Amino acid sequence: SQTIHQWPATLVQPVGSPLSLECTVEGTSNPNLYWYRQAAGRGLQLLFYSVGIGQISSEVPQNLSASRPQDRQFILSSKKLLLSDSGFYLCASGQGDSPLHFGNGTRLTVT
Amino acid sequence: GENVEQHPSTLSVQEGDSAVIKCTYSDSASNYFPWYKQELGKRPQLIIDIRSNVGEKKDQRIAVTLNKTAKHFSLHITETQPEDSAVYFCAANLRGGGADGLTFGKGTHLIIQP
Repeated sequence: SQTIHQWPATLVQPVGSPLSLECTVEGTSNPNLYWYRQAAGRGLQLLFYSVGIGQISSEVPQNLSASRPQDRQFILSSKKLLLSDSGFYLCASGQGDSPLHFGNGTRLTVT
Repeated sequence: GENVEQHPSTLSVQEGDSAVIKCTYSDSASNYFPWYKQELGKRPQLIIDIRSNVGEKKDQRIAVTLNKTAKHFSLHITETQPEDSAVYFCAANLRGGGADGLTFGKGTHLIIQP
């Protein structure tokens, strides 16, 4: 079975600072990868998805970007964080007609 | 746009009673409908799922029903226990399972009263 590693688990960053969250997947090859954000403990908002190396699709305009430099690596970044970027960030792996498997998440607080 | 609606947002039931959470979806091409349970501060975890070729699926105290014509599906939890307290999310693969994955409802906070 696949395992999704996310780090760090928690992060406190000042407004205007950069961000880099990393996600790696084990136990599968060529997965579809996803970044979700969850605000205030409710609602999973899809931010980005990727079907392969270098292929990124964005679901909502925002202050964030994503990259997929390797098949099982997915990175979420920002050049300058906003207060509204605070939330629980979840990386997930899966296909359109099968379960999504989530990482343990990163709780980001922008101060 | 395509979406998934979930109700209620909060549900409080007495321990031992049943709980039902309902979702509707907009895209008739959807064919996969999972349910996730999320405990406080943790990741969502799959508890049951159903595909469009069946109308009901059961796993011990948990069951899911699907009405394709009406485009709604429901989660049923019987003999509720304190450990069932959590936020539950329904989801659907809108647009027939494209690479953009699952679209989630806004969640239901289930509270089991002792």
